[in-house]
Amino acid sequence: SQKIEQNSEALNIQEGKTATLTCNYTNYSPAYLQWYRQDPGRGPVFLLLIRENEKEKRKERLKVTFDTTLKQSLFHITASQPADSATYLCALTGFQKLVFGTGTRLLVSP
Amino acid sequence: DGGITQSPKYLFRKEGQNVTLSCEQNLNHDAMYWYRQDPGQGLRLIYYSQIVNDFQKGDIAEGYSVSREKKESFPLTVTSAQKNPTAFYLCASSRQGEVDYTFGSGTRLTVV
Repeated sequence: SQKIEQNSEALNIQEGKTATLTCNYTNYSPAYLQWYRQDPGRGPVFLLLIRENEKEKRKERLKVTFDTTLKQSLFHITASQPADSATYLCALTGFQKLVFGTGTRLLVSP
Repeated sequence: DGGITQSPKYLFRKEGQNVTLSCEQNLNHDAMYWYRQDPGQGLRLIYYSQIVNDFQKGDIAEGYSVSREKKESFPLTVTSAQKNPTAFYLCASSRQGEVDYTFGSGTRLTVV
């Protein structure tokens, strides 16, 4: 069956460090992979999209990698700040729709 | 400002009652989607619509109904047939040919 797996345990890091979140998938061949940020009680907000033929994408302090052989994406936040604390969701493009992982909660301590 | 508006933010319903959640967008997006989010679970797709007057069932459509009479609006009705309706409901939209979604702020439905 198709699965998208993100670490369900919260990731705790100190301010200034790099946060790395993982998204693994099975039985998908997505053309795109996306990352969203979700704050408590709010809807997800789109951050980055990476295509299957791209290895890496950057946007300010964010970096996403996409390894279609390993079926894995890594999401990095460099120089993390307490304001980066949120849940981060990865999503794969299925037929006419997005399929989401369960998300990983990131906590950045001052 | 363009965006998606979901209302109400909080909704309480008695068992056995139908309730309709509103979703309106002024982004001129063609496609609209309804997801349900439960604690510890990913977003699950209920219904989606690519164009006006057309919609398709998602993965968990049972107990829900939708309509798409206008491009801007995609209301979701939670019927009494939905066995476990308490959840956070999210509406989203996307532009034709684009794959990233814009989400509303959600409606938290509680059955009392």
